[in-house]
Amino acid sequence: DAGVTQSPTHLIKTRGQQVTLRCSPKSGHDTVSWYQQALGQGPQFIFQYYEEEERQRGNFPDRFSGHQFPNYSSELNVNALLLGDSALYLCASSEEKLAGIYNEQFFGPGTRLTVL
Amino acid sequence: GESVGLHLPTLSVQEGDNSIINCAYSNSASDYFIWYKQESGKGPQFIIDIRSNMDKRQGQRVTVLLNKTVKHLSLQIAATQPGDSAVYFCAESPRTGAGSYQLTFGKGTKLSVIP
Repeated sequence: DAGVTQSPTHLIKTRGQQVTLRCSPKSGHDTVSWYQQALGQGPQFIFQYYEEEERQRGNFPDRFSGHQFPNYSSELNVNALLLGDSALYLCASSEEKLAGIYNEQFFGPGTRLTVL
Repeated sequence: GESVGLHLPTLSVQEGDNSIINCAYSNSASDYFIWYKQESGKGPQFIIDIRSNMDKRQGQRVTVLLNKTVKHLSLQIAATQPGDSAVYFCAESPRTGAGSYQLTFGKGTKLSVIP
């Protein structure tokens, strides 16, 4: 059973460009969350997708957008890249259960984005 | 592989000793607390969690303690092994109406085990 997979592994872009990162959740999982992890910091929540809609969002500008497909996979898009967007982007998946119960999030290996 | 341990507090322990990693959280409304382990080049890996109505929970070689009065969380690792070397993050999860909660991570502590 494959865990959470992300592509690409590494990516180099220049300022002003746009980037799309991809995530396939763990089998049986229907919820995908995205996190940004700057070097030496803990991951920061970007947003979460469930039933193909953005359900929760962290403190990130509208340049960060996403999508979830019917097969539960997800994309993270970042427009007008800034140097400060350089980070490890992590995808985490979980299975929606009863509301009020914490559902463990399984993380992928991440995509390392470098903006020059 | 890449390092996520730069500029992080570091704890060095001798192999076989016990390790204690501490974390302070800020949100009194947080309902769940989770410890993650992150090895170089990998995503965070779940270790153990605890709900706010508990003050202690034990797993295999690990124990999490929660002190809500001072908003403090700790992770104890018994008989630390070289494979425990990694960056450890605490994370808190707020009460929300959804089933899968967003996580707020602490800054992390780098654990180095001396053989």
